[in-house]
Amino acid sequence: DGGITQSPKYLFRKEGQNVTLSCEQNLNHDAMYWYRQDPGQGLRLIYYSQIVNDFQKGDIAEGYSVSREKKESFPLTVTSAQKNPTAFYLCASTRDRRGTEAFFGQGTRLTVV
Amino acid sequence: AQSVTQLDSQVPVFEEAPVELRCNYSSSVSVYLFWYVQYPNQGLQLLLKYLSGSTLVKGINGFEAEFNKSQTSFHLRKPSVHISDTAEYFCAVEGYGQAGTALIFGKGTTLSVSS
Repeated sequence: DGGITQSPKYLFRKEGQNVTLSCEQNLNHDAMYWYRQDPGQGLRLIYYSQIVNDFQKGDIAEGYSVSREKKESFPLTVTSAQKNPTAFYLCASTRDRRGTEAFFGQGTRLTVV
Repeated sequence: AQSVTQLDSQVPVFEEAPVELRCNYSSSVSVYLFWYVQYPNQGLQLLLKYLSGSTLVKGINGFEAEFNKSQTSFHLRKPSVHISDTAEYFCAVEGYGQAGTALIFGKGTTLSVSS
């Protein structure tokens, strides 16, 4: 079945450590996105990529980095520069055409301990 | 720039009652609007979308929404809710320009259905 896979589902990190969240899709979608979800804040866009080897910052990119070396993969690194990284992270993908449905992964819950 | 405001953060209702979740948007260009649902600790699932044409849009699970350009609203309705409709609901507008085609979400409305 086609879909988006995020791993791991739960992740714990010590302060000062970088951590990478995985996102893989087999939908052959061109565009991929990372959102951060906090209670009462909705989803806020971190980074997005509309084509391999290209990506743009979203509204809250500080303290995060991404790569897009393959069409099906869009990993997100949460760096030690991110001041408040504990959150639920969602990856999504779409065909790169306006008005199409976004497909979401099941999310990764990151907790800094 | 586009933005979305969901007017209610929480909506409690009894089973089989009607419900309306309110959403207002702002955009200087023609808009594509969406409603998504999120069950606990899961990703989001599309309920319905408005691209053009009829202003009344029907979605899954008996939900519908009406696009009102003059009031810049896209309210979600269901005539009779079930316990299983308990979830968080997000209204979204498709970004254009700086945000590419990324979705811009409201802060969400938690629908709690009780018996």
